[in-house]
Amino acid sequence: DARVTQTPRHKVTEMGQEVTMRCQPILGHNTVFWYRQTMMQGLELLAYFRNRAPLDDSGMPKDRFSAEMPDATLATLKIQPSEPRDSAVYFCASGFLQGAASYNEQFFGPGTRLTVL
Amino acid sequence: AQKVTQAQTEISVVEKEDVTLDCVYETRDTTYYLFWYKQPPSGELVFLIRRNSFDEQNEISGRYSWNFQKSTSSFNFTITASQVVDSAVYFCALSEVSTGTASKLTFGTGTRLQVTL
Repeated sequence: DARVTQTPRHKVTEMGQEVTMRCQPILGHNTVFWYRQTMMQGLELLAYFRNRAPLDDSGMPKDRFSAEMPDATLATLKIQPSEPRDSAVYFCASGFLQGAASYNEQFFGPGTRLTVL
Repeated sequence: AQKVTQAQTEISVVEKEDVTLDCVYETRDTTYYLFWYKQPPSGELVFLIRRNSFDEQNEISGRYSWNFQKSTSSFNFTITASQVVDSAVYFCALSEVSTGTASKLTFGTGTRLQVTL
């Protein structure tokens, strides 16, 4: 049963510390997404990659957030320095998408619950 | 700009009741996709259905059914004979195609469904 995996599942850190969240997409999927879920803003798309290349990161605060995909089996989302307002659940999702006109569903990981004190 | 509205914040029903979750969307695109996802207490987002804008046929899957009406820009979700296991937050989402961003999902704020015995 293929699943998206995310580590860590929970992270508590102090303001100013670096946080790295990891995601392993489903094998064979070519697109990876990062979402953030908060009570106030709901689910927001932060960034996404296709074939490991960043396609859109307009939803991401550029000064402190960075997303990379060093290889097809690993995507990372880094926050440096972290702030209390970054506290949220961060979801990774993957899918197999072919071109802009076709679409298949995104499969979500279990999320990383981040708390910044 | 695309927008999804789920006006019902929370719904409580007694088991075996039917319940309908409303979703209204806004888009200028003529080609788009609509989705429903379920987020159970465990936190993971589970894909339920995808519908493209050219397919207005209603769909039934077991106790779940979806009513898509382009005339009213609505994509409502009905659970028949609800069960306690249906308790979750349900999200409606929209993705536009012509902008070349078929991958990007815009989520509604979600409807929390509580099914009690």
